[in-house]
Amino acid sequence: SAVISQKPSRDICQRGTSLTIQCQVDSQVTMMFWYRQQPGQSLTLIATANQGSEATYESGFVIDKFPISRPNLTFSTLTVSNMSPEDSSIYLCSVAWQGMNTEAFFGQGTRLTVV
Amino acid sequence: AQSVSQHNHHVILSEAASLELGCNYSYGGTVNLFWYVQYPGQHLQLLLKYFSGDPLVKGIKGFEAEFIKSKFSFNLRKPSVQWSDTAEYFCAVSSGTYKYIFGTGTRLKVLA
Repeated sequence: SAVISQKPSRDICQRGTSLTIQCQVDSQVTMMFWYRQQPGQSLTLIATANQGSEATYESGFVIDKFPISRPNLTFSTLTVSNMSPEDSSIYLCSVAWQGMNTEAFFGQGTRLTVV
Repeated sequence: AQSVSQHNHHVILSEAASLELGCNYSYGGTVNLFWYVQYPGQHLQLLLKYFSGDPLVKGIKGFEAEFIKSKFSFNLRKPSVQWSDTAEYFCAVSSGTYKYIFGTGTRLKVLA
């Protein structure tokens, strides 16, 4: 298992600004993922962030809006750029190890409100 | 494209009632199936998972789920719910890439 810490846990931001969310894991992990949970909706994968390679974005998400860093095997950041009220969501970091019969683990999420 | 449907968005039960939450997915290949729970103010936690083998999977806290391949379903059950089971429940599917497709979630409220 993994203990995942996200910072900040919540924030209220002005539109047009950017927020960087940090995800710290207590052990080295192969794969890290960033999800978004908009109000009343399900979790949607934004991108996969593997160390040593560029992040891979899902349809509807672009690097200019959600730049991601993965400098090592225990840390990643997601930036929400040029925010608008539509970006108000919970953003979750998730980690997994490659191998058979393993599941992903999730951080507690960052609740972002854009005003 | 893969998708996951959870038909019950809100469920209210009395303590000791039986619970069944529906989950259907659309994907033609081999899938891994999960149920996660999110208690108020807490992070997502794994309830149970299915990768292969016995289609009846037992998880934590008395929960179980049955994988019915012909119906593309993975319904969650508990014979007798408790007040502490009040939470939001998410069904999820992955095709082995560790990218999860989540259902919309079911909010369960158990009345004491």
